[in-house]
Amino acid sequence: EAGVAQSPRYKIIEKRQSVAFWCNPISGHATLYWYQQILGQGPKLLIQFQNNGVVDDSQLPKDRFSAERLKGVDSTLKIQPAKLEDSAVYLCASSLTGLAGVSGEQFFGPGTRLTVL
Amino acid sequence: AQKVTQAQTEISVVEKEDVTLDCVYETRDTTYYLFWYKQPPSGELVFLIRRNSFDEQNEISGRYSWNFQKSTSSFNFTITASQVVDSAVYFCALSEERRGNKLVFGAGTILRVKS
Repeated sequence: EAGVAQSPRYKIIEKRQSVAFWCNPISGHATLYWYQQILGQGPKLLIQFQNNGVVDDSQLPKDRFSAERLKGVDSTLKIQPAKLEDSAVYLCASSLTGLAGVSGEQFFGPGTRLTVL
Repeated sequence: AQKVTQAQTEISVVEKEDVTLDCVYETRDTTYYLFWYKQPPSGELVFLIRRNSFDEQNEISGRYSWNFQKSTSSFNFTITASQVVDSAVYFCALSEERRGNKLVFGAGTILRVKS
């Protein structure tokens, strides 16, 4: 079974530029998550999708971050404009369901390492 | 409020030593789930275990074992006879049933196993 795919793996941009990350979840997984992991910290949830609807985006900085999952499969996370503090690894995860107790185990992709100069 | 504390920032051991990684959590819910993930240098988070709040039985899987104690709000992870390949960052995480599947992670513990 193929895992969660993410691209690009690395990205270097200057502040105020825009950037987009792509995620392809495990086939059949209804729930998709984007996490931000700043160096030395644990991942922090940015947004959770159930199929193509948003379940939780309470920690997404909506003035600069946006995400979509148009057909309930692939997802794109965008930052515009980027700030220095956005330097982090952006992790995508998927799970069969959105319920922790029912097949809710999250599988993570390799992440995209973003450096903002 | 949800909170996970991993007080050990970094641990170094020599191969074949046993090592315990501590995790303390806070929650007001009665139904919650606890997890451990491993993050090797490649960066991908690898799921190790999930435990629900109603199951306090300790679990053993090969060289790995987990001790869940609700009385102290702890979910500690022990690696027996550590190996160099165990070197990684280990994260403890919590999700509350009423918050869906949202994971709240601790800051992680860096484990270095030297040969």
